[in-house]
Amino acid sequence: DGGITQSPKYLFRKEGQNVTLSCEQNLNHDAMYWYRQDPGQGLRLIYYSQIVNDFQKGDIAEGYSVSREKKESFPLTVTSAQKNPTAFYLCASSIIPGTEAFFGQGTRLTVV
Amino acid sequence: EDQVTQSPEALRLQEGESSSLNCSYTVSGLRGLFWYRQDPGKGPEFLFTLYSAGEEKEKERLKATLTKKESFLHITAPKPEDSATYLCAAPQGGSEKLVFGKGTKLTVNP
Repeated sequence: DGGITQSPKYLFRKEGQNVTLSCEQNLNHDAMYWYRQDPGQGLRLIYYSQIVNDFQKGDIAEGYSVSREKKESFPLTVTSAQKNPTAFYLCASSIIPGTEAFFGQGTRLTVV
Repeated sequence: EDQVTQSPEALRLQEGESSSLNCSYTVSGLRGLFWYRQDPGKGPEFLFTLYSAGEEKEKERLKATLTKKESFLHITAPKPEDSATYLCAAPQGGSEKLVFGKGTKLTVNP
């Protein structure tokens, strides 16, 4: 059953701690993306990767980091430098960059 | 700057009352216009891709159309289960990044 798996679904973090969100896909897609969704703001691009071992900053990359060591995996680390990390995080992939993207079910991160 | 703008922000319909959602874009050299459905607390679900003006795609009660400046998502005889937020997106000109609109929240009352 092909798809994109994000884990965990809910995540709580104390201020000052880094946390890593997992994203795995078995669709054999080249491109992967991380978006952040806040109420009333729509989806904002954090990072994207067009190929293994390569990634680019999106519109709101500050305070985040990513890696793309395997085609299937694109983890996102929310660092303590991110000033307002509480949000709904969405991972997506597309067969080639710039085509329709398919999304995971999201991770809701809450900083306590 | 490339933009995707959706209207209205929210739409409330009675069951069976047909209507349309709008997505206007200023992306140069359009390479596809995508529609998604998003339920609360879930990731967006892909619905349609449109590539050229005049193209239409249908799925159950939904029909998406594309002109040179905008796209419409027509909902015919909606049911309460069609209630969701509908998003449109397009690749940014000269880039592989997708630009999303803020969405239209559709509520269909029984």
